[in-house]
Amino acid sequence: GAVVSQHPSRVICKSGTSVKIECRSLDFQATTMFWYRQFPKQSLMLMATSNEGSKATYEQGVEKDKFLINHASLTLSTLTVTSAHPEDSSFYICSARGPPLAGGGDEQFFGPGTRLTVL
Amino acid sequence: KQEVTQIPAALSVPEGENLVLNCSFTDSAIYNLQWFRQDPGKGLTSLLLIQSSQREQTSGRLNASLDKSSGRSTLYIAASQPGDSATYLCAVSDYGQNFVFGPGTRLSVLP
Repeated sequence: GAVVSQHPSRVICKSGTSVKIECRSLDFQATTMFWYRQFPKQSLMLMATSNEGSKATYEQGVEKDKFLINHASLTLSTLTVTSAHPEDSSFYICSARGPPLAGGGDEQFFGPGTRLTVL
Repeated sequence: KQEVTQIPAALSVPEGENLVLNCSFTDSAIYNLQWFRQDPGKGLTSLLLIQSSQREQTSGRLNASLDKSSGRSTLYIAASQPGDSATYLCAVSDYGQNFVFGPGTRLSVLP
């Protein structure tokens, strides 16, 4: 199947700094990528939908000025956590919509995740 | 708004047992449904994808079924092994391709 990578896999930063997380589709072009967040012992929650060449769509309750998303190319979306605080510590996972399937529809492929710890 | 639930929340079985994990969703207008496994502290591994027009998919010891009209999916694991221990998540996507995840079932297979 298609491969999605994330970088970095783990990051520790001080409170108040900004952190950028990259999500890349390695062997296919993805016009749409999604960003999810998972707090300990909770399920994944969609944060935003990232469309190449346009502004991201944020879910209710997600601050767009805090979580900046840039989808500048068909293979790369970035999530920047600005002025990070300890409560932003979480597991961030991206996914990308794959090529259309033969039977219709398409499949999403998930990155391995990035664990952010804000001290 | 789509809501996804999973039963049971946790399950512990001896090695070799067959088991069933359940997933329910409130809005039957789905695009597809995927089952994932997640190991502690790790990302997601896609297990099976069922498109809305399909009723089941099989991969090895795994079989997933989908009944859209009743809003249910089951994941059947045959001859469970300790390596199957993980959290199993089901997720449904709408026509906008947004995924809504269930809370997961935490499976422990005892040797």
